[in-house]
Amino acid sequence: EVQMVESGGGLVKPGGSLRLSCAASGFTFGSYSMNWVRQAPGKGLEWVSSISRGSDEIQYADSVKGRFAISRANAKNSVYLHMNSLRVEDTAVYYCARDWDGYNTFDYWGQGILVTVSS
Amino acid sequence: QSVLTQPPSVSGAPGQRVTISCTGSNSNIGAYYGVHWYQQLPGTAPKLLIYDDTNRPSGVPDRFSASKSGTSASLAITGLQAEDEADYYCQSYDRSLSGSVFGGGTKLTVL
Repeated sequence: EVQMVESGGGLVKPGGSLRLSCAASGFTFGSYSMNWVRQAPGKGLEWVSSISRGSDEIQYADSVKGRFAISRANAKNSVYLHMNSLRVEDTAVYYCARDWDGYNTFDYWGQGILVTVSS
Repeated sequence: QSVLTQPPSVSGAPGQRVTISCTGSNSNIGAYYGVHWYQQLPGTAPKLLIYDDTNRPSGVPDRFSASKSGTSASLAITGLQAEDEADYYCQSYDRSLSGSVFGGGTKLTVL
């Protein structure tokens, strides 16, 4: 069974940092691109970042470019989101999502982890 | 403001048919990138409903269908059921932004 479990969320002050982790199981992790998608409270979905199977292609939404960094460790079946210079508007539930076919089709999602940026 | 435009809400009675539109541009839907649709039930993660414009993953009822034309796409739900009440999102890739883009979401209410 495909599973993805996010961790590392919590409350952080504006300007602070946080690292999210997503542990995957039930599939050959290294064969899939992975993504982070977030959802602010009561709002819609916003794509945040993607990383290819071999980490050679990385993309970011303009809203996080220069502040967030995505990485992965295929040997640990994990993908990470390093978040720096956090802003109040980064408050959201963060989901990791598997890209099924390499064409941005997100077929499996984690349960999400809440990040709250507040003073 | 989302790159892909969806109506904020739609509604229908049980058994009826509803459609949800998704309007993009020549930088995303019109650039032949696939359109995908997700269903998000309250308090849960999104679920892939339709991929590559018209295809249903295994397990998705055939009451759900989708189409695409030009810079727009549409999701249709026939035989509405109470369990269909959820938020629906379209998604594609935008070559100008070099990343995925979502619609703002449409809340479906089953009357």
